[in-house]
Amino acid sequence: AQKVTQAQTEISVVEKEDVTLDCVYETRDTTYYLFWYKQPPSGELVFLIRRNSFDEQNEISGRYSWNFQKSTSSFNFTITASQVVDSAVYFCAPPPIVAAGNKLTFGGGTRVLVKP
Amino acid sequence: DGGITQSPKYLFRKEGQNVTLSCEQNLNHDAMYWYRQDPGQGLRLIYYSQIVNDFQKGDIAEGYSVSREKKESFPLTVTSAQKNPTAFYLCASSIPPASQPQHFGDGTRLSIL
Repeated sequence: AQKVTQAQTEISVVEKEDVTLDCVYETRDTTYYLFWYKQPPSGELVFLIRRNSFDEQNEISGRYSWNFQKSTSSFNFTITASQVVDSAVYFCAPPPIVAAGNKLTFGGGTRVLVKP
Repeated sequence: DGGITQSPKYLFRKEGQNVTLSCEQNLNHDAMYWYRQDPGQGLRLIYYSQIVNDFQKGDIAEGYSVSREKKESFPLTVTSAQKNPTAFYLCASSIPPASQPQHFGDGTRLSIL
């Protein structure tokens, strides 16, 4: 069965610390995409990044970096030198139609609290 | 600018009343979705539609209804049968390839009077 697991429910750090969010995606599919979204306190979800299963190169965008390891189905997200504005809930999710068809939608996400 | 517009931002429902949440997109996306989010929880899928005049139930469709008469519009009605409707409702859209993410509206907060 397909399953997305974000084991960390909440992470609290002090500003400028690094924080890594874990995501494990179990699927029978041999090729697939995964997405990270950010939900700030205002409520709207913002798309951050899309990664595919045949590209295991790390990707860096400013203070954000992503590490994808297909062997462990892990798709981890790191915020370097965290800032208060990074406080939000972060969701890892498969493609929406795939998720809906498999009764697999967003889990609880990981809440990140960055303290000044 | 293209995007998804949800209205109203805040909505109050009286007991026994049906209310309709609006979702409009000008992204020319085929697929649209409705999610419910309770405080401190993740998103649960209510309904989704992959094409005009067609929609499927998600995980928690009971007490809700939708229509998809136009590509750009996917309204959600919260009926009186939904006994605990207080939540944050998010509408989203996407284009068919599985490589594409969803775009979300700003949400509607529904409360019971």
